[in-house]
Amino acid sequence: TQLLEQSPQFLSIQEGENLTVYCNSSSVFSSLQWYRQEPGEGPVLLVTVVTGGEVKKLKRLTFQFGDARKDSSLHITAAQPGDTGLYLCAPRRPGTSYGKLTFGQGTILTVHP
Amino acid sequence: DVKVTQSSRYLVKRTGEKVFLECVQDMDHENMFWYRQDPGLGLRLIYFSYDVKMKEKGDIPEGYSVSREKKERFSLILESASTNQTSMYLCASSLARVTEAFFGQGTRLTVV
Repeated sequence: TQLLEQSPQFLSIQEGENLTVYCNSSSVFSSLQWYRQEPGEGPVLLVTVVTGGEVKKLKRLTFQFGDARKDSSLHITAAQPGDTGLYLCAPRRPGTSYGKLTFGQGTILTVHP
Repeated sequence: DVKVTQSSRYLVKRTGEKVFLECVQDMDHENMFWYRQDPGLGLRLIYFSYDVKMKEKGDIPEGYSVSREKKERFSLILESASTNQTSMYLCASSLARVTEAFFGQGTRLTVV
């Protein structure tokens, strides 16, 4: 099993700060999804990236897929308390069963007012 | 809206009991998944099913089994619950060609 690493594991910041979360592996992904999970709820899809070098924006969130499709990042500008939650990446690897969906260990983000 | 419903939010069971966790989805999705979530470990896939009566092991299947007799229902079974199975269990469903997985709210299982 190829290792998937999300970093940092914990992030505690003040409202208005910027932050970046990373999802890295030594193997190539065919695509990657980012999910956010709020306390007491299940994860919810934020974005899917497919093409190497792809950048997608969702309001204050910017998602980037590495050129070699081995890594991805999530950047939040001017974080707000409502951004608090667990951020999970879910890569899809070439050759794996198409339905199988596995996740990284996640980044717990806390944004203080 | 897609809805994935897990039968219980909280469960307390005794060591050695047989435990059934039920999950129902209402969007005719082909895929269904069971994950467990523990602090610092993210979501770990236990089993997933890509069709009725079809299943595939995930990363941590030991101590668990599953049943999918109908397309909308996916059950996770702990044959003999142990304290190390105390965790949050999340069910999800998706279309066959996964574009998005939809999750239930989770079942927090405590084995005493």
